[in-house]
Amino acid sequence: SQQGEEDPQALSIQEGENATMNCSYKTSINNLQWYRQNSGRGLVHLILIRSNEREKHSGRLRVTLDTSKKSSSLLITASRAADTASYFCATVQRSGGYNKLIFGAGTRLAVHP
Amino acid sequence: EPEVTQTPSHQVTQMGQEVILRCVPISNHLYFYWYRQILGQKVEFLVSFYNNEISEKSEIFDDQFSVERPDGSNFTLKIRSTKLEDSAMYFCASMPGRATDTQYFGPGTRLTVL
Repeated sequence: SQQGEEDPQALSIQEGENATMNCSYKTSINNLQWYRQNSGRGLVHLILIRSNEREKHSGRLRVTLDTSKKSSSLLITASRAADTASYFCATVQRSGGYNKLIFGAGTRLAVHP
Repeated sequence: EPEVTQTPSHQVTQMGQEVILRCVPISNHLYFYWYRQILGQKVEFLVSFYNNEISEKSEIFDDQFSVERPDGSNFTLKIRSTKLEDSAMYFCASMPGRATDTQYFGPGTRLTVL
């Protein structure tokens, strides 16, 4: 089974619009994180939400977590062309306490000026 | 702001050759990781390292792979005899402690095996 599956796989919007990406997972988690990856570059940590939290904000980012549905969403408000990137959710399972991240396949976001 | 660094940014090698990918984690971080991303696919966990030993490894991390922290700053991933399917981006990450759960990633090394 795949942990951390995002949808949609690709999203194309105009600058100023909101972008919503979803992530589903299958096993119990300790927390869920969202990362951004610009084309061919490294992963940048965006936000972490713990299993006992339902919503978290950071600037233009809003993350929700529904542990009963095993799903999370990332909302980027008032998008900018610079937000164009791939976005990945990653879950942390307490496997021996060393916190390996299990990534989803990602959503490719394109924001057009 | 401290960053994880990786060298080289791009490594091209012939099949069967050994490669060493290098990483300098953020100083005072205690947990270290290697992940890889085959082109167009998801990022996959390879290995975690804590207290100078491997704490967990994935099925991908077979006998051809090894990790080392030879001194207080470097963290290396060695692939003994590269295969074509080892071509990927390799990311190093470090984490200060278990309480934070946030891993800081380096920019990656693109490995191309010919």
